[in-house]
Amino acid sequence: DSGVTQTPKHLITATGQRVTLRCSPRSGDLSVYWYQQSLDQGLQFLIQYYNGEERAKGNILERFSAQQFPDLHSELNLSSLELGDSALYFCASSWGQGDGNTIYFGEGSWLTVV
Amino acid sequence: AQSVTQLGSHVSVSEGALVLLRCNYSSSVPPYLFWYVQYPNQGLQLLLKYTSAATLVKGINGFEAEFKKSETSFHLTKPSAHMSDAAEYFCAVSERDSSYKLIFGSGTRLLVRP
Repeated sequence: DSGVTQTPKHLITATGQRVTLRCSPRSGDLSVYWYQQSLDQGLQFLIQYYNGEERAKGNILERFSAQQFPDLHSELNLSSLELGDSALYFCASSWGQGDGNTIYFGEGSWLTVV
Repeated sequence: AQSVTQLGSHVSVSEGALVLLRCNYSSSVPPYLFWYVQYPNQGLQLLLKYTSAATLVKGINGFEAEFKKSETSFHLTKPSAHMSDAAEYFCAVSERDSSYKLIFGSGTRLLVRP
């Protein structure tokens, strides 16, 4: 158990819908990262927050957005869903801003768009 | 920008044989390097990391990796494979910007034959 909690674990939704994935980082961790894992794209970095502020943005679609709340939990919002958005979405956390700190991953949220 | 290349999408070994999973990195600055393992239907678990201390890094479950700057490599080894080692293994490099996000290789699936 990494200490990073993601909900829901599985989600099936229709095209065009909107979903929210939730992440609770490890106790004391200030950085939250979101990754997407799919068969064709592999593990892709989406976005990072540090202590409530966006720190880095990767290959995140405009239909996707995220935020980190004052209690440090984070949410990833996916809207206007397409079949190609079906993937495993990971949240990860680390204590600091990185610099060699271990980044711990949750077990992921499986999203299936039908 | 940093990147990693994992040679071999699939590696098959016999139980008790040496495991060697290859990873080469590209980085303009001294890298931080990581190996993660993903068991079926689970999240990513850190095996080991290199952060510019000893070049031979020992991790969990008997795995180790050696940082070789001259070869830009960080190969993962284990002297004797066990059936429970069957999983997907990811090499990653930490982006040395303000985010320190991880950039992952495409992964190597390890199959252990009885």
